[in-house]
Amino acid sequence: DGGITQSPKYLFRKEGQNVTLSCEQNLNHDAMYWYRQDPGQGLRLIYYSQIVNDFQKGDIAEGYSVSREKKESFPLTVTSAQKNPTAFYLCASSIVSGWGGTEAFFGQGTRLTVV
Amino acid sequence: AQSVTQLDSHVSVSEGTPVLLRCNYSSSYSPSLFWYVQHPNKGLQLLLKYTSAATLVKGINGFEAEFKKSETSFHLTKPSAHMSDAAEYFCVVRRNSGNTPLVFGKGTRLSVIA
Repeated sequence: DGGITQSPKYLFRKEGQNVTLSCEQNLNHDAMYWYRQDPGQGLRLIYYSQIVNDFQKGDIAEGYSVSREKKESFPLTVTSAQKNPTAFYLCASSIVSGWGGTEAFFGQGTRLTVV
Repeated sequence: AQSVTQLDSHVSVSEGTPVLLRCNYSSSYSPSLFWYVQHPNKGLQLLLKYTSAATLVKGINGFEAEFKKSETSFHLTKPSAHMSDAAEYFCVVRRNSGNTPLVFGKGTRLSVIA
């Protein structure tokens, strides 16, 4: 089945540690996105990529890093510089089009908790 | 720049009664608009989208939304609520040209009372 796979579903991190969240898609989409979700805040954009080996910062990129070495994969690293990393993280993908009416498809999310 | 405002953070309805979730948008460009639904601890599923064609858009599970440019609104409705409709709903805007990321509202939690 085509879709987006995020792993792990739950992740616990000690303060001061870096952790990497995985996102893989087999939809052949060029664009991939990372969003952070906090209660009552909606989804806020962390990073996005429209092509391999290129990515752009979103609204809340501080304390995060990404890579895009393969079309199918867009891992997110939460670094120790992120002051409040406990949140639900969602990965999404979409086709790249000159027309804005294309929707994004979402993974099932990773819930990160700092302990 | 684009933004959306969801006017209610929580809406509660009785099963079988109509649902109205309100959304106003702001966009410097002709927008595409979307409604997504999220069940607890799950990803987001697209309900419907408006992309400058018909202003009344029908989606899945009996939901529909009407684009009103004069009011800059894109409210989501359903004639009769079902228990399974209880979830978080997000109104989303995107510039209607280019490949800009989606911009989300803060969400409306819908509760359905038996």
